[in-house]
Amino acid sequence: NAGVTQTPKFQVLKTGQSMTLQCAQDMNHEYMSWYRQDPGMGLRLIHYSVGAGITDQGEVPNGYNVSRSTTEDFPLRLLSAAPSQTSVYFCASSYGGGLREQYFGPGTRLTVT
Amino acid sequence: AQSVSQHNHHVILSEAASLELGCNYSYGGTVNLFWYVQYPGQHLQLLLKYFSGDPLVKGIKGFEAEFIKSKFSFNLRKPSVQWSDTAEYFCAVNDSGGYQKVTFGTGTKLQVIP
Repeated sequence: NAGVTQTPKFQVLKTGQSMTLQCAQDMNHEYMSWYRQDPGMGLRLIHYSVGAGITDQGEVPNGYNVSRSTTEDFPLRLLSAAPSQTSVYFCASSYGGGLREQYFGPGTRLTVT
Repeated sequence: AQSVSQHNHHVILSEAASLELGCNYSYGGTVNLFWYVQYPGQHLQLLLKYFSGDPLVKGIKGFEAEFIKSKFSFNLRKPSVQWSDTAEYFCAVNDSGGYQKVTFGTGTKLQVIP
């Protein structure tokens, strides 16, 4: 199993540009989530999904969109990038929602200039 | 809303010293508790977890944590740290009735000096 994969690993965007961060898992987990990690702030939940076709907002959803058309994929879209979105983004999945261990991807380091 | 506090932001220890990292949460109901570790350049991985039962839980690499319900705490301990324990440690809590959301603390960076 590849586990949780994320692409790209690094990305530089200009303010106002849009892009999609990809996340995929091959463990048949129904629960997937996106976090951003910022110095001194830990991990903050952006969006999560409890199954295909079901998504909900986390703690810091503004400026991001998600969709879940399949169990495997959970892309995160930045609609109009802002410098405040410079961060490291982690995708995670779990077979028991937040109740169980989450498996994290390697992260995407995004810089918005 | 639940919250998690990790009061130690940066800890520096010499090898063989004992470690205790504090974690306090605010939620009055039943919770599931986790410690995750992030080694330099790597992604987060589970260190240990508490769901129910024995409040003293043991994890990988000699780590353990004790759940004290009355103090809303889940402190991480290791009797003797090694240089390879240098990493960032995150406490996380889930409202076991809520299913969906896991709240992470701000993390503690541990630096172990050889």
